[in-house]
Amino acid sequence: DAMVIQNPRYQVTQFGKPVTLSCSQTLNHNVMYWYQQKSSQAPKLLFHYYDKDFNNEADTPDNFQSRRPNTSFCFLDIRSPGLGDAAMYLCATSRKTGVNSPLHFGNGTRLTVT
Amino acid sequence: TQLLEQSPQFLSIQEGENLTVYCNSSSVFSSLQWYRQEPGEGPVLLVTVVTGGEVKKLKRLTFQFGDARKDSSLHITAAQPGDTGLYLCAGERDTGRRALTFGSGTRLQVQP
Repeated sequence: DAMVIQNPRYQVTQFGKPVTLSCSQTLNHNVMYWYQQKSSQAPKLLFHYYDKDFNNEADTPDNFQSRRPNTSFCFLDIRSPGLGDAAMYLCATSRKTGVNSPLHFGNGTRLTVT
Repeated sequence: TQLLEQSPQFLSIQEGENLTVYCNSSSVFSSLQWYRQEPGEGPVLLVTVVTGGEVKKLKRLTFQFGDARKDSSLHITAAQPGDTGLYLCAGERDTGRRALTFGSGTRLQVQP
């Protein structure tokens, strides 16, 4: 009954080789987020989509891009992964932003860069 | 600069002990949420606090939002090994459609 599904759970890529992480949701939520979480740290927001409206955080590197082709799917593209990009990538959704719209997280994709 | 600071960063206690985790900021938040994250999983929402001074209880967990809506605390009574995890506070500021900002996290280990 998973509602936010991330694939794959584990991804290994080579330094500089483009990689795409995927997220799908069955909640029909308006908002989808991508967070980066490094070991023992808090999740760091990379960007979010409110419907088709893309919102990039000011300190998100250009190396990270995102696509949301429809309500259910959102992709994170890392154009040229570096060793420092190794992390857990969490996708989350919410009905809208605001008090009454908690985030629903997927179980994440752990990215290793060799 | 971390917008939301949590303390302590790490806490290891024995089963049955009480503990308090703090989440502090110099900014005002329209709401604060607390999440718990277990290894290999995404964070799961525990509670949302909205009103300054608000107190919410969830079984052995008590959450409080500061009067000025700049800080929050989580108190656990008689901790159990199942409480082990990373506790994250997350706040939304009064600036329209901004997404949540997470605190630095408190990693709790409850020893049986």
